Amino acid sequence: AQSVTQLDSQVPVFEEAPVELRCNYSSSVSVYLFWYVQYPNQGLQLLLKYLSGSTLVKGINGFEAEFNKSQTSFHLRKPSVHISDTAEYFCAARSAGNKLTFGGGTRVLVKP
Amino acid sequence: DAGVIQSPRHEVTEMGQEVTLRCKPISGHNSLFWYRQTMMRGLELLIYFNNNVPIDDSGMPEDRFSAKMPNASFSTLKIQPSEPRDSAVYFCASSSGQGAAEAFFGQGTRLTVV
Repeated sequence: AQSVTQLDSQVPVFEEAPVELRCNYSSSVSVYLFWYVQYPNQGLQLLLKYLSGSTLVKGINGFEAEFNKSQTSFHLRKPSVHISDTAEYFCAARSAGNKLTFGGGTRVLVKP
Repeated sequence: DAGVIQSPRHEVTEMGQEVTLRCKPISGHNSLFWYRQTMMRGLELLIYFNNNVPIDDSGMPEDRFSAKMPNASFSTLKIQPSEPRDSAVYFCASSSGQGAAEAFFGQGTRLTVV
């Protein structure tokens, strides 16, 4: 069985400061990893995904994530956040069996 | 493509009534997921289909919930009878292939059971 844990439920951050959102996964099989963003009253949108190859993955809106197999982590980072990055962020894992499992989400509040 | 289309966007119903949520996946996608989102429990996978066949319904909370996918372009999630604790936002998502393919989400249906 696979599971996804997001270690922070809320992350307040000042505008133009860096942010890191932590995600750990557990799975007995190889998984594909994703980060999604959800703006208020909207569905989820894909930020980036890790399939294989380079462990550093770049996504939209200046976000990137690093896959670390030994630590079973897939942390999301952005060097400088904007007010518009205020949203909820979800880490997800998908096994070859197709089940797509999400973490509990991290609410990012960007303060001016 | 118009993306994943869910209807209705909002539903308010009385306890005990039947509720049917609808989803039209992206054309050509062969996997479909139903999720429920609440403040307390976050985003929960209820059931998913591959090629119109239910693969894992272990997330369906109880027998009051049922889901069907009669063809590749339509799925329903039914709650009968509905209860106030079913109030949540229900999302449908679809993807092509398996594994590496990303899932595309609809805008969700906000269900309120009073």
